[in-house]
Amino acid sequence: NAGVMQNPRHLVRRRGQEARLRCSPMKGHSHVYWYRQLPEEGLKFMVYLQKENIIDESGMPKERFSAEFPKEGPSILRIQQVVRGDSAAYFCASSTTGLDTEAFFGQGTRLTVV
Amino acid sequence: DAKTTQPTSMDCAEGRAANLPCNHSTISGNEYVYWYRQIHSQGPQYIIHGLKNNETNEMASLIITEDRKSSTLILPHATLRDTAVYYCIVRRYPQGGSEKLVFGKGTKLTVNP
Repeated sequence: NAGVMQNPRHLVRRRGQEARLRCSPMKGHSHVYWYRQLPEEGLKFMVYLQKENIIDESGMPKERFSAEFPKEGPSILRIQQVVRGDSAAYFCASSTTGLDTEAFFGQGTRLTVV
Repeated sequence: DAKTTQPTSMDCAEGRAANLPCNHSTISGNEYVYWYRQIHSQGPQYIIHGLKNNETNEMASLIITEDRKSSTLILPHATLRDTAVYYCIVRRYPQGGSEKLVFGKGTKLTVNP
């Protein structure tokens, strides 16, 4: 059973471009969580999605950021018009439904805005 | 905000047990205690979790006090590869769903040769 897969592992964008980060959850997992980690800082929650629904987006910046988890395919975190401050590691985690379940993380996408 | 308090850093000698404490004095009845670690900016790695009973798996043991206000993660024989930031997290389970993990600052564990 493959783990949580994130791609690309490294992404370089110029200021003003769009960044698309993909996350394929573990097989059978219907919950996806996105986190951001700025250099030398902790993990900050961004958004929690279930298939076709956003459950909690309390950590998402109000502008330029969006996330989706369609019925088919990976979850996508999209950052429009990137700025240097968006440079960070973005981690995705997935879990199953129900009580007493653990969430497993991918290896992250390192976004560098130049 | 994180609901746990952990020491900022700890040291441990290789081969010895590492005991990482965590205070969660405001934990409620439907909240579990989870432990994760992050090794040098890799993706966080799940270690163990529990509700009120002590738990053990191939990686570690989790000891939760009877009043559930604190817990200790035990790595029985620490190795250099266990050097990482360890996060203690309380996670609520609302009816019919689950909740995000909220990471605090964690404990930076350094295992010394």
